[in-house]
Amino acid sequence: DIRMTQSPSSLSAYVGDRVTITCRASQTISNYLNWYRHKPGKAPKLLIYAASSLQSGVPSRFSGSRSGTDFTLTISNLQPEDFATYYCQQTYSAKWTFGQGTKVEIK
Amino acid sequence: EVQLVESGGGLAQPGGSLRLSCAGSGFIFSSYYMSWVRQAPGKGLEWVANIRQDGGGANYADSVQGRFTVSRDNAKNSLFLQMNSLRAEDTAFYYCAREFRSGYSVNYFDYWGQGALVTVSS
Repeated sequence: DIRMTQSPSSLSAYVGDRVTITCRASQTISNYLNWYRHKPGKAPKLLIYAASSLQSGVPSRFSGSRSGTDFTLTISNLQPEDFATYYCQQTYSAKWTFGQGTKVEIK
Repeated sequence: EVQLVESGGGLAQPGGSLRLSCAGSGFIFSSYYMSWVRQAPGKGLEWVANIRQDGGGANYADSVQGRFTVSRDNAKNSLFLQMNSLRAEDTAFYYCAREFRSGYSVNYFDYWGQGALVTVSS
């Protein structure tokens, strides 16, 4: 199975900060990489699909990029509603797998 | 409006069984792959299983292979997860999710249910 390794596992930041989360795939996955934001008690929300495409309705402060098997989610101008856990997900193989998550907390 | 509503969660004993259901509405259920995803307490999201539009082509995470079976009834717009030989580590919220699939690297979950809690304990 394809393993997705996210880093860091958690971070603290201020409102207005720029935050970067990285996800590394254990093998090539082309651009089959999505990012979700998840808050407790709610359904996960799709932010970025196909590595760098912004989902409709998602603010432009979210962006995604790819370099080989390394993928990055960047949140510029962090807002209060962005304090949550973020997951990458590969959909290249028949078994879709998630990274272990990155918790973004208020500093 | 697309809606996914899980039911069937509850308490089961280790080694026991439980069957989850997910009722879909607001879309053509038979046109979509469907998945189950779970989140154990204090843990991250884990994809569990999925099933093709016609009920074939099921895939499973290694952690549940041979114990869980995913199925669907398109006439009733319903998805199921039969969970056998349950273990304590299967304790989690279980979500059903609709898969959006297109060409050109575009595959993702676009709608989720609110989840059903499964607790495995003696």
